[in-house]
Amino acid sequence: ELKVEQNPLFLSMQEGKNYTIYCNYSTTSDRLYWYRQDPGKSLESLFVLLSNGAVKQEGRLMASLDTKARLSTLHITAAVHDLSATYFCAVDFSGAGSYQLTFGKGTKLSVIP
Amino acid sequence: NAGVTQTPKFQVLKTGQSMTLQCAQDMNHNSMYWYRQDPGMGLRLIYYSASEGTTDKGEVPNGYNVSRLNKREFSLRLESAAPSQTSVYFCASRLDVAKNIQYFGAGTRLSVL
Repeated sequence: ELKVEQNPLFLSMQEGKNYTIYCNYSTTSDRLYWYRQDPGKSLESLFVLLSNGAVKQEGRLMASLDTKARLSTLHITAAVHDLSATYFCAVDFSGAGSYQLTFGKGTKLSVIP
Repeated sequence: NAGVTQTPKFQVLKTGQSMTLQCAQDMNHNSMYWYRQDPGMGLRLIYYSASEGTTDKGEVPNGYNVSRLNKREFSLRLESAAPSQTSVYFCASRLDVAKNIQYFGAGTRLSVL
């Protein structure tokens, strides 16, 4: 059974600071996704990481994947209030010949002015 | 760009009532999914359909049934609703079962009294 663990689950940070969210998973996979969810809204795709060493950046967010360590990170640079949201990582896992996404529990980020 | 459309957006049921959640996508995707989201639990897969004509159980299928009506539509049915099924339900789709982004609908907020 694939397990996906995110930490921290809650993160309160000041504007302008840097921080990293971690996503560990228990079974070999080379496909990892990051999503953002605003309160009461749906999930929006942020990054798709498809190989070991993959790094993607969009604005103040940068995601990376280390398949050997089974670890992905989402790094936040110089946080701004607009980044306040819940961030989910999700890992593609092959079971019975078909791939399913398994989600972490999410990291609720609050950026304080 | 409609993407993934879910109906209804909100629903209140009494214990024992039945209902069907509807989902349609206009992106010509082959794979469709139903998730439930509960506080602190992330998203958990209920059922999925890898392609038209197939459906499979996910992590939490008990109490639910699904129908892949055609390539566009994938419905979720609660035959006898229970308070434990109070949740936010998301439908998602992606082009194929692997290495593609899943796109999510806006969600259905269901309360079972």
